[in-house]
Parts: sequence; structure tokens; C-alpha cells
Amino acid sequence: AQKVTQAQTEISVVEKEDVTLDCVYETRDTTYYLFWYKQPPSGELVFLIRRNSFDEQNEISGRYSWNFQKSTSSFNFTITASQVVDSAVYFCALTGGDSNYQLIWGAGTKLIIKP
Amino acid sequence: DAGVIQSPRHEVTEMGQEVTLRCKPISGHDYLFWYRQTMMRGLELLIYFNNNVPIDDSGMPEDRFSAKMPNASFSTLKIQPSEPRDSAVYFCASGRLEGGEQFFGPGTRLTVL
Repeated sequence: AQKVTQAQTEISVVEKEDVTLDCVYETRDTTYYLFWYKQPPSGELVFLIRRNSFDEQNEISGRYSWNFQKSTSSFNFTITASQVVDSAVYFCALTGGDSNYQLIWGAGTKLIIKP
Repeated sequence: DAGVIQSPRHEVTEMGQEVTLRCKPISGHDYLFWYRQTMMRGLELLIYFNNNVPIDDSGMPEDRFSAKMPNASFSTLKIQPSEPRDSAVYFCASGRLEGGEQFFGPGTRLTVL
């Protein structure tokens, strides 16, 4: 069975601090995809990144970076120099295998950036 | 591109009434998904379509819920009769590729009194 665990329910940091959101997944599939989505207080779900299981290269996009490690089944998300606008709930998700299009969602991590 | 469009954005109705939620996916996307989000249960996939055909409706809570996709640019989710426990935010999402990212609409916040 597939599963995504985001153990951090809520994280609170002061603006400009770096923060890492953890995501651990379980799957028996050799081909799978991992995602991060952002849900700001306004409620929409915003796609951030998709990573396939054969690409373990880390990704950097501005202040955002993602660390994918198959050895530990983790796909962690780091925000560098956090800003108040980064405050949101962040979801990690997994798909692949028999449910090729069904996203398995983590419970989400609520990130609070204090000014 | 306009993104996924959902209407209405907010719906308040009384128990027993029929509710219809609407979705226009991104043009060219072959997959369409309906989700429900509540504090208690998080994000739940209700049903998804591929090329207008329902593929998996195992997440539809009960027979009061039905979804249709008459063409590539329109889908509806209907609840009849509605109940207070149906109160949630309903999201529609679309995507192009198997295993690909899904793009979400702004959601419909449904309140059933």
C-alpha cells in the first residue's frame, strides 16, 4: 500500500529563517511520482513540483529547494530565508503503480511565518 | 490559459436541497478529478475521469453523489439530497499525463444548513 507521512503538523518560524518540511513515503512501485502543493489561507491548491522516481537530483527554484532521497524514502522541502507570504499548508503527495492517477496525500504541514 | 474554473465559489443551501457544482478543466487536459476537503478527513478523491469517462468513483461517499462529464470542457458534481455532513470545500482538478501534476480550481465552499 502507498502512504505519505508528514509528521510535522505545524511549524512556526520567524521571517528570514530557513525551514524544512519533511515528507516520507511508502510504495512498492519502482516507478512513481512525488509532488508538493501549497495551500495558502485563500484556499486554492497550488502545484509546486513533480519529481519522478528515477530522478534523484535535487531541485532549486528561487528560495525553494527539494531533496529527494530514495534510500530514506524522503522528499523534503526547504524554504530559505522564509517570508510571511510563505505561510500556508504544504502537502506532499505520491502517485504511481496501480493507482497511476490517484494522488495519495500527506496530512499537510501548516507553516506559520511570523514577521 | 484561464486555469480550472469552478462555479459557484460559495454555496449555502438547506438540508434536502439539490446542489450542483460545476467545473471547466484546462483545455487539452484529458483527466478531471473531483476532491472534497474537510478538516476532519483532509483531501479525499471522490471520482476521476479520463477522456470524459469515469474511471474510478470508489471515493464517492454514497448514492446521493453523482458526477458527469458530458464533454471535454465541462463536468458536474451533484448532491441530491444534500445533508449538513456534506459541508466541505469541493475542488476540481485537471491534468494531462498519467502520473502528471494536477492543477486545481479555486474550489467551491459548500455549506448545508
